[in-house]
Amino acid sequence: GAGVSQSPSNKVTEKGKDVELRCDPISGHTALYWYRQSLGQGLEFLIYFQGNSAPDKSGLPSDRFSAERTGGSVSTLTIQRTQQEDSAVYLCASSPRDVRVAEQFFGPGTRLTVL
Amino acid sequence: AQRVTQPEKLLSVFKGAPVELKCNYSYSGSPELFWYVQYSRQRLQLLLRHISRESIKGFTADLNKGETSFHLKKPFAQEEDSAMYYCALREVTGGGNKLTFGTGTQLKVEL
Repeated sequence: GAGVSQSPSNKVTEKGKDVELRCDPISGHTALYWYRQSLGQGLEFLIYFQGNSAPDKSGLPSDRFSAERTGGSVSTLTIQRTQQEDSAVYLCASSPRDVRVAEQFFGPGTRLTVL
Repeated sequence: AQRVTQPEKLLSVFKGAPVELKCNYSYSGSPELFWYVQYSRQRLQLLLRHISRESIKGFTADLNKGETSFHLKKPFAQEEDSAMYYCALREVTGGGNKLTFGTGTQLKVEL
């Protein structure tokens, strides 16, 4: 079966514009996670979904960042009024609901460049 | 708050030499730790987890609660081991598995 997919793979935008990043998790995976990979910062947790609800949004860096998930499947991460410091690779991961199965399966990422 | 520290940004070793990638953590609960690896132009993937006590691609990692460490080791490095390695700590949150990652160590195996 297909793994986690993300689109677009690359996005270049101008400062102040809004962007939407999409994640398609593995079919049947109820948990979905967004991370940000910045140079020198490692991977930062952004938000976690269980089904369509987000019990943990603690990693969203500002109110310019939001995310939603519909149908327990596709998720969209939206960044409004982008800033240069938002430039990073945004990774999505999914996992089955069973918390004993802790492995997260990662997508290829979306590389965002804000000019 | 939980924290994962990988003190080395870059580790360079010769082929056939032993490798040790360091990872230290701080966590108030019972820790569950992982090593993830990202090879060039590939996606991040799980290498091993401490509860499995397994050896993957010759790598092992032992959880040392006294030293709060989870160092990744391999007795003889291979060229194909060159990659970015991330140590991660699992926290159960709202029914899910939030991972806190270290900043990563780039392993370069030279011939």
